[in-house]
Amino acid sequence: EAGVAQSPRYKIIEKRQSVAFWCNPISGHATLYWYQQILGQGPKLLIQFQNNGVVDDSQLPKDRFSAERLKGVDSTLKIQPAKLEDSAVYLCASSHPGDKGMDEQFFGPGTRLTVL
Amino acid sequence: LAKTTQPISMDSYEGQEVNITCSHNNIATNDYITWYQQFPSQGPRFIIQGYKTKVTNEVASLFIPADRKSSTLSLPRVSLSDTAVYYCLVGDGSYGQNFVFGPGTRLSVLP
Repeated sequence: EAGVAQSPRYKIIEKRQSVAFWCNPISGHATLYWYQQILGQGPKLLIQFQNNGVVDDSQLPKDRFSAERLKGVDSTLKIQPAKLEDSAVYLCASSHPGDKGMDEQFFGPGTRLTVL
Repeated sequence: LAKTTQPISMDSYEGQEVNITCSHNNIATNDYITWYQQFPSQGPRFIIQGYKTKVTNEVASLFIPADRKSSTLSLPRVSLSDTAVYYCLVGDGSYGQNFVFGPGTRLSVLP
């Protein structure tokens, strides 16, 4: 089966510009996650969707970050305006509800953002 | 959400068994323990999940003692391709749970 798709793979912008990332989850996966991974650190959850509703966005910097998942499938994550500290890899993951425990998350290849 | 502690880095040689221990002293009754593997320039990949005792799959084994305050990921006969960062997560999978990936353990397998 096809994995989680993300685009673009790389993006370079100047500070104060805006940028958008796109994610297409595995077909049928109701839950979608966006993570930020700064070099040398583990991924940090930004937002979690269940279908097209937000389940957790407690760590999303809402003054500059926004995300949507229209129709419960694809999702976009936007940063406006970008800051130098936003330089990171942005990972999208999706999962399907399992019987017990934490659902296995399938990650995409990520988008590497460099803010100059 | 239970906080986890792992060694920052480990070195091993090809063909050896590697054991990575994760401490989670405040694990809750309903929490499971999950391990992910991440290669450079890739997203993390699920390895194994367990609740108690021992779980084994084609990739690894997970040992969980009776008190569940720690767990050990065991990789049999590692190869160079097992060089990666390994993350331990603890949680019950409930919606709205903040999945916390710590800094992980950077495993370097040497020839």
